Amino acid sequence: DAGITQSPRYKITETGRQVTLMCHQTWSHSYMFWYRQDLGHGLRLIYYSAAADITDKGEVPDGYVVSRSKTENFPLTLESATRSQTSVYFCASSETGGGSGANVLTFGAGSRLTVL
Amino acid sequence: GQQVMQIPQYQHVQEGEDFTTYCNSSTTLSNIQWYKQRPGGHPVFLIQLVKSGEVKKQKRLTFQFGEAKKNSSLHITATQTTDVGTYFCAVGGGSQGNLIFGKGTKLSVKP
Repeated sequence: DAGITQSPRYKITETGRQVTLMCHQTWSHSYMFWYRQDLGHGLRLIYYSAAADITDKGEVPDGYVVSRSKTENFPLTLESATRSQTSVYFCASSETGGGSGANVLTFGAGSRLTVL
Repeated sequence: GQQVMQIPQYQHVQEGEDFTTYCNSSTTLSNIQWYKQRPGGHPVFLIQLVKSGEVKKQKRLTFQFGEAKKNSSLHITATQTTDVGTYFCAVGGGSQGNLIFGKGTKLSVKP
């Protein structure tokens, strides 16, 4: 698990501020993902990326922006944070993708974000 | 889109009792994965099932994939306090590689 790191681990911000959560992986995995975890909702996919410069929306993309200029980095930006975005955010990567079952996810340790 | 229902949401057991969580889908699945998340931790991959009727074991954990590939179960025999956590199933949600997770079953074990 040391191959995928998230920063910051904890962040407190105010409504309306921009926040960027960083994710870095050292395996050169093609696929990277951002999930948010909230009580009662489990893990919900925000955005994912199949390769550098390729990103796509997940289940709950509103209010978030991602980029993937390099294979190893997949930052998640909240352009104007809202209280509803208080959550634990997990970055994950996988070597392959598709529905065939080869895409086992390895998760980072998570970033706990509080928006006041 | 793809959805998977996971039950129960919570399970409280006495140490030594068995535990089972179930995942159900309305559509046929190509595969299903199971993850465990310890309290305060991150999800960790446990196993993947691909074949119809497949059964896999990891020590006290038994994973099953239904014959119709629409459901799966995770059974823990004789729970221990180290089994505490939330167990998630996950299925492929689309052609681009994203996984859709069930809402998880939170297991607590009373010593």
